[in-house]
Amino acid sequence: EAGVTQFPSHSVIEKGQTVTLRCDPISGHDNLYWYRRVMGKEIKFLLHFVKESKQDESGMPNNRFLAERTGGTYSTLKVQPAELEDSGVYFCASSQDIGHSPKSYEQYFGPGTRLTVT
Amino acid sequence: AQKVTQAQTEISVVEKEDVTLDCVYETRDTTYYLFWYKQPPSGELVFLIRRNSFDEQNEISGRYSWNFQKSTSSFNFTITASQVVDSAVYFCALIYAGGTSYGKLTFGQGTILTVHP
Repeated sequence: EAGVTQFPSHSVIEKGQTVTLRCDPISGHDNLYWYRRVMGKEIKFLLHFVKESKQDESGMPNNRFLAERTGGTYSTLKVQPAELEDSGVYFCASSQDIGHSPKSYEQYFGPGTRLTVT
Repeated sequence: AQKVTQAQTEISVVEKEDVTLDCVYETRDTTYYLFWYKQPPSGELVFLIRRNSFDEQNEISGRYSWNFQKSTSSFNFTITASQVVDSAVYFCALIYAGGTSYGKLTFGQGTILTVHP
């Protein structure tokens, strides 16, 4: 079974440009999460999709960030326009939905996209 | 609000030493899960263990063991006879499990473990 994949692995852009990150969850996982780790800080939650619907987007920093999950499969996270403080590693995770069983709380992570804004 | 603290920023040991990674958490919730993840140099977070807030039994998996104590709000991770391949960043995390959705992970700052040959 393929794991969570993310593209690109690295992205270097200039301030003011646009970047789109992509995440492909594990096949069959309805829950998809985005997290971010800014240099030296802890990993922080951004948002949570259940299929194509946004369940919780309380962690999105501002309206320069737009996440979509069309068709409930892969997800994209667009940053427009990018600012210096957006630099960090963006992680995507997915989990199954099998009721409120313990397994539904296990999130499986991708390798992350390292975003550098110069 | 939830909070997870990993007080050890970096730990360095020599191969075959035992090492314990500390994790202390804060939550007002009674129903939650605790996790440990490993981040090797390749970057992805690898799931290691999930522990239910109602289950304080310690767990052992090979050289890994976990000690969960609700009285001290701690969920410590011990690696016995460490190996170079254990070198990684280790994250402790917590998730509230009493709501209608599956919630979000709250992470500690991570502990960088380096095992020298």
